[in-house]
Amino acid sequence: DAKTTQPPSMDCAEGRAANLPCNHSTISGNEYVYWYRQIHSQGPQYIIHGLKNNETNEMASLIITEDRKSSTLILPHATLRDTAVYYCIVRGSSNTGKLIFGQGTTLQVKP
Amino acid sequence: SAVISQKPSRDICQRGTSLTIQCQVDSQVTMMFWYRQQPGQSLTLIATANQGSEATYESGFVIDKFPISRPNLTFSTLTVSNMSPEDSSIYLCSVDLGNYGYTFGSGTRLTVV
Repeated sequence: DAKTTQPPSMDCAEGRAANLPCNHSTISGNEYVYWYRQIHSQGPQYIIHGLKNNETNEMASLIITEDRKSSTLILPHATLRDTAVYYCIVRGSSNTGKLIFGQGTTLQVKP
Repeated sequence: SAVISQKPSRDICQRGTSLTIQCQVDSQVTMMFWYRQQPGQSLTLIATANQGSEATYESGFVIDKFPISRPNLTFSTLTVSNMSPEDSSIYLCSVDLGNYGYTFGSGTRLTVV
């Protein structure tokens, strides 16, 4: 599975959009981009995933560049409860594609 | 999404002993996964558990230290054997829901003294 690179930490003001970047320059054609987050002392929570088209759900939007070498997770109106570690993971489409976590980005939402 | 019950939620154990962690899922799933999260670190995959076959271990993890059982499609156990303080971590099980990604249990916080 392709490796990902994320900034170790970011701050965001409450109510503003949080834009979390991820580089995955070695991604291959059948690999998806997944985003998870882990709020302190809890298990990771699935947020969103995509292949090449932009995706949106009730939690977030995922913007994938045309060359698929990078993506951005957008939390449109960050709240204090969005403070967490956010993981960008690239995973193959087969059932044996494992979920391998990098170090993630610690997002601190400030009042 | 699936609901995962993981027990115990936390434990304090003496070095040299073993602890078995249970993971129960409310639906049948093909693959279950066990992760370790050491203090201040990210998650590391220990092994993949398929029903009816031996678990597949990641590099650095061995069956003698982390034996896994998968007796049916809704249940798995992970044993941490002959524990040392270095095994103090959060252990998490997860299942693959296909298009909905993985769901994780709430974890077992293990402290070895």
